[in-house]
Amino acid sequence: DAKTTQPPSMDCAEGRAANLPCNHSTISGNEYVYWYRQIHSQGPQYIIHGLKNNETNEMASLIITEDRKSSTLILPHATLRDTAVYYCIVLNAGNNRKLIWGLGTSLAVNP
Amino acid sequence: NAGVTQTPKFRILKIGQSMTLQCTQDMNHNYMYWYRQDPGMGLKLIYYSVGAGITDKGEVPNGYNVSRSTTEDFPLRLELAAPSQTSVYFCASSYRASTTDTQYFGPGTRLTVL
Repeated sequence: DAKTTQPPSMDCAEGRAANLPCNHSTISGNEYVYWYRQIHSQGPQYIIHGLKNNETNEMASLIITEDRKSSTLILPHATLRDTAVYYCIVLNAGNNRKLIWGLGTSLAVNP
Repeated sequence: NAGVTQTPKFRILKIGQSMTLQCTQDMNHNYMYWYRQDPGMGLKLIYYSVGAGITDKGEVPNGYNVSRSTTEDFPLRLELAAPSQTSVYFCASSYRASTTDTQYFGPGTRLTVL
C-alpha cells in the first residue's frame, strides 16, 4: 500500500479556506485517496474520497493532481469546530484493502 | 440509527485481568474492525471481520481475540491484560463496495492497565 506524507500541524483563521496537503508519490492506479478527521479523541469521521477526479461534498473538496502523486483537502470556510487531526489515507481497491493510518495533520482553526 | 456503539467508555484493569470490549452496529454492515490508538499516534488495526463467522488478523493482533457470531456484534477480548495494552480502542464498520469503503467509527473505549 502506498504511504502518505502530511505536515504535522497547520493553522487557519476562522472563515478562511483551509488547504491541507498530502503527498502520496507511490500511489498506484487502483488506489483511492481517503480523508478522515478526528476531533479531540472522538472516533474518526469520514470526509471524502477520490480516485483521480476532483470531488466535492457538503463537507469539503478534494483536489487530486493529474499525476495523482499528491492531493489537497479544502475546507472552504473553516469554523472552530473544524479543529481536528486530518488523516490522508491511500486505499487499495482490491479485496485485501485495509486503512493504514499515519500521524495526520493537526489543524487549529483560530478565531 | 445509533450507528456504532461501544461499551464501556472507560475501564481500568490490573495486570493479568481479562475483559471484553463490546461493539455493536445497526447499519447491517458486513465488515467490522477493531483499532487501537496510542497517544499522539494514528490508528492501528487489531482484527477485522468480513462477515459473521469470519475474522482475520490486522497489524497488531497479539494479546487479543475476537469472535463474530452475528452481523451486529464484534466483541474484542483481552485475556491477560498488560500495561502495553493501555490505549483507546475504536470499533468501526463499513459497507464495502467496489468504489467505496467508508468506515463508521464508534466513540471509543479508553483502557488503562495498571
